[in-house]
Order: sequence, then C-alpha cells, then structure tokens
Amino acid sequence: EDQVTQSPEALRLQEGESSSLNCSYTVSGLRGLFWYRQDPGKGPEFLFTLYSAGEEKEKERLKATLTKKESFLHITAPKPEDSATYLCAGRNAGGTSYGKLTFGQGTILTVHP
Amino acid sequence: SAVISQKPSRDICQRGTSLTIQCQVDSQVTMMFWYRQQPGQSLTLIATANQGSEATYESGFVIDKFPISRPNLTFSTLTVSNMSPEDSSIYLCSVAVSGVNEKLFFGSGTQLSVL
Repeated sequence: EDQVTQSPEALRLQEGESSSLNCSYTVSGLRGLFWYRQDPGKGPEFLFTLYSAGEEKEKERLKATLTKKESFLHITAPKPEDSATYLCAGRNAGGTSYGKLTFGQGTILTVHP
Repeated sequence: SAVISQKPSRDICQRGTSLTIQCQVDSQVTMMFWYRQQPGQSLTLIATANQGSEATYESGFVIDKFPISRPNLTFSTLTVSNMSPEDSSIYLCSVAVSGVNEKLFFGSGTQLSVL
C-alpha cells in the first residue's frame, strides 16, 4: 500500500529563517510527487509536480527537490504570508484512477514577523 | 490552469438527510475527482467521475452513500446520503490538467457539519 509521511507536523519559523519540510514516500512506481499549499478554509493550491530523482523546481521562495525516497520543500527567507499547511502527495504507476493521489498529513508552517 | 467553483461552501445538516455538492469547471475536462478531508486527516479520494459513464469508487466508498453525477464535461455533483456525524468533513472537487507540467487542481471545498 502506498504511503506518504510528512515531517515535521508543525514548524514555527521567524521571518527570514530558512528551513525545509520533508516528505518520505513509498509509492509503487512513482508517477508524480505533488506539493500543495492549503490555507484555512480553502482547497489545496497546486505548487509543483516532480517526476524523477534529482529533479528540482522553484517558485518564488520555494524550491522542491526529489530523491528516490524523499522530497523536500525548501523555504528560503520565509515571510508571514508563507504561513499555511503544505501537503505532499504521490501518484503510483498502476491502477485506473489517474487522479488518485496518496496524501501525507501535511506540515503546518507558521512564520512569525 | 483551471478555475473550479464549488457550492455550497459550507453547510450544517441534520442526521439522516442528504446534501448535494456542485462542482463547476471553467473548461472541459475528461475526468473529475471527488476527495474527502476529514478533520485532522489527509485527503482521500472518494471516486472518479467520467462523463458518460458510471463513476469509479475507491475502496471503502459506495455509490449508495455517495452518488455522483457527471452530465457534461464541465460539471459534476456529489451527494452525501443519509448523513451521520461521521460524514462531517471537507469535500473537494478536483480536475487534472495534462501537459508538460501536469497539474491536479482543487476547488475551494465544501465544509460539511452533520449534527
């Protein structure tokens, strides 16, 4: 059974204090590792899709990387508006459901001014 | 990208009643998906809704409890039937947009509370 585990569960940072969120995955024949941001009361907002080990993608202060077992979301010099829950999800190679992602529990990020 | 509108955004319902959630997309998509996010839990796929065919349900979810309609390529509904407090969750509609940078977009969700 596919499994995605995120750590830490919660992370508090000072504005400007860079850090990383971890996503460990066991997904059969990974066909995409997804990162989302979710604000309270809203649906997940797409950030990145990574497909192969060594791949990196960046968007503003965020950079996502992928290895064969983990993905990291690096946040450089975060601002209070980066506060949100960050979700990681994997899609496997099998099955008929194209949209079936296995989600982790999320990391709640709080950035203090 | 895709803009997804969900209605209602939230509702409080009585045990034993049913609620139908609507999902409208601003472009034609082949597949639409319904997810559930229970309090403190990760998102779980309920079913895949294809236009012109029966929805495909994931293990643990059945059509009698979560009937789905998909009348065209931009619209779908999910009904939560005979509700109990355990159905209190956020229900999310999502669509896949293929391409070089494949994306799965989500609507804003429906916050359901069952008393």
